[in-house]
Amino acid sequence: AQSVAQPEDQVNVAEGNPLTVKCTYSVSGNPYLFWYVQYPNRGLQFLLKYITGDNLVKGSYGFEAEFNKSQTSFHLKKPSALVSDSALYFCAVRPPWYSSASKIIFGSGTRLSIRP
Amino acid sequence: NAGVTQTPKFQVLKTGQSMTLQCAQDMNHNSMYWYRQDPGMGLRLIYYSASEGTTDKGEVPNGYNVSRLNKREFSLRLESAAPSQTSVYFCASAPGAVGANVLTFGAGSRLTVL
Repeated sequence: AQSVAQPEDQVNVAEGNPLTVKCTYSVSGNPYLFWYVQYPNRGLQFLLKYITGDNLVKGSYGFEAEFNKSQTSFHLKKPSALVSDSALYFCAVRPPWYSSASKIIFGSGTRLSIRP
Repeated sequence: NAGVTQTPKFQVLKTGQSMTLQCAQDMNHNSMYWYRQDPGMGLRLIYYSASEGTTDKGEVPNGYNVSRLNKREFSLRLESAAPSQTSVYFCASAPGAVGANVLTFGAGSRLTVL
């Protein structure tokens, strides 16, 4: 079965330190990979996506993500965390275009907390 | 530039009551989706519509029905609400149903079933 795992429910980081939010997936073929962020009482907002090519993808608000095909991972990173980065982060995977399953699969979410 | 608009934002129902969540997008997107968000479970797809005139079941369709009224609007109906349907519901849309299309989400509708 196709799945997405975010192994950490919560990640705590001090402001100014680098942060990593982990995501691994189990989808056949070459899927499309996404990160979304949800601020309190808001809908999800798109951060970045991986389609093909360079394994390091840059997105909004200084975030980037590293695609690792051998480890089937797509970890979200930021070199220097801000308190305003505190939010709920979701990894999502869409099977490749030739798959009959057109549905996007979301992970369970990781709450990122940045302390001043 | 409204994007995806959901109504109502909050609703309290009694068990057995029915209601419809409305969703409209103004981005000329082809595909639309309904998700529910529960603590620790992320987003789960209820139903989606790949294009106007089509609807398909997602991961958790039981107890729900949908209508793709036109290209802009996609409604979610609870015929007989149950406490297990207490959740936050999100509508989303995308230019297409396949590929690397990005979802645009509404602000959510918080439903409580007593």
